Amino acid sequence: AQSVTQPDIHITVSEGASLELRCNYSYGATPYLFWYVQSPGQGLQLLLKYFSGDTLVQGIKGFEAEFKRSQSSFNLRKPSVHWSDAAEYFCAVGIMNSGYSTLTFGKGTMLLVSP
Amino acid sequence: DTAVSQTPKYLVTQMGNDKSIKCEQNLGHDTMYWYKQDSKKFLKIMFSYNNKELIINETVPNRFSPKSPDKAHLNLHINSLELGDSAVYFCASSQGRSRVRTDTQYFGPGTRLTVL
Repeated sequence: AQSVTQPDIHITVSEGASLELRCNYSYGATPYLFWYVQSPGQGLQLLLKYFSGDTLVQGIKGFEAEFKRSQSSFNLRKPSVHWSDAAEYFCAVGIMNSGYSTLTFGKGTMLLVSP
Repeated sequence: DTAVSQTPKYLVTQMGNDKSIKCEQNLGHDTMYWYKQDSKKFLKIMFSYNNKELIINETVPNRFSPKSPDKAHLNLHINSLELGDSAVYFCASSQGRSRVRTDTQYFGPGTRLTVL
């Protein structure tokens, strides 16, 4: 069965420091992977996605993610975190459900940014 | 120019009441979804419609009834509300390339439902 694991429930990073949020997936076919961000009281915003091609994908707000098939991972990175990046981050895999596509989400990682 | 909008943003009601949440998208998408986010922030698909046709119906109590009057709108009606229905409900839409997993979903701001 397909699943997405985000091992870290919370991560605290100092402002200006680098960030890596972990995501591991389990899916029998080629994975299509997404990262979404949910700011406090807001909806989910798409940060980036990976379908095929270059395994390092660039997203909005200076985020990037690297797909590593051998490790079944799709970790999200940012070189320098800003206080406004404090939010909940969700990794998701696109799956087929009754012949149609939908998303299976991880349980999220809460990013806290310290001054 | 909100792409996916939901109303209301907050909904507080008593157990046993019936309530509706509305969703509209102006992206010209063919597919719309309802997700439930529980108190631990876990997101789970509830329903999906493609061109007004129900295509995904997860194991959701039949007190929940989605309705799609046209492909730009997907409403969620909940009968006999229970405490456990308290959650944030997200609407989403996608282009409608539903038979491929690369269909990207765009989410609304969510409706926080509190049942007292």
